Amino acid sequence: NAGVMQNPRHLVRRRGQEARLRCSPMKGHSHVYWYRQLPEEGLKFMVYLQKENIIDESGMPKERFSAEFPKEGPSILRIQQVVRGDSAAYFCASSQTHTDTQYFGPGTRLTVL
Amino acid sequence: AQSVTQLDSQVPVFEEAPVELRCNYSSSVSVYLFWYVQYPNQGLQLLLKYLSGSTLVKGINGFEAEFNKSQTSFHLRKPSVHISDTAEYFCAVSGQRGGNQFYFGTGTSLTVIP
Repeated sequence: NAGVMQNPRHLVRRRGQEARLRCSPMKGHSHVYWYRQLPEEGLKFMVYLQKENIIDESGMPKERFSAEFPKEGPSILRIQQVVRGDSAAYFCASSQTHTDTQYFGPGTRLTVL
Repeated sequence: AQSVTQLDSQVPVFEEAPVELRCNYSSSVSVYLFWYVQYPNQGLQLLLKYLSGSTLVKGINGFEAEFNKSQTSFHLRKPSVHISDTAEYFCAVSGQRGGNQFYFGTGTSLTVIP
């Protein structure tokens, strides 16, 4: 059973471009969570999704950030018009139910030039 | 809401010495508690978790942690560390009901000195 997959592992964007980060949960997991880790900080919750639904987006910045988890395919975290402050590691986690342990992917490291 | 405090940002320790990484949490509801390890440029790997039952939890790589409800703590311990234990360690808490977002501490950087 493959673990949580994230791609790309590294992403470089210039200011103003769009960044798309993908997350494929573990097989059988329908709950996906996105976290952001800024340099020298812990992980901060961004958004929690189930298939086709956003359950909790209380940690998402109000502008430029969006997330989806379609019926088919991976979950996508989309950042429009990136700025230098968006540079961080973005981690995805998945779980089988909303009370189960979350398993983390290797992360996508976004660098904004 | 829940929160997690990791009191030590950096812990240097000599190889084969014991180590304790401290974690305190605050929550108005019953919680689940976790310790994750992050090696350089990698994702988080689950070390151990407390869901219910025995307050002493054993995890991978010889680590263990004890849940102390009265002190709201979940300290991580290892009796004898190895060079390969050098990594960042994160304590996390989640509520037992709904949502299940994790709240992470800011991490403790463990450096094992040969």
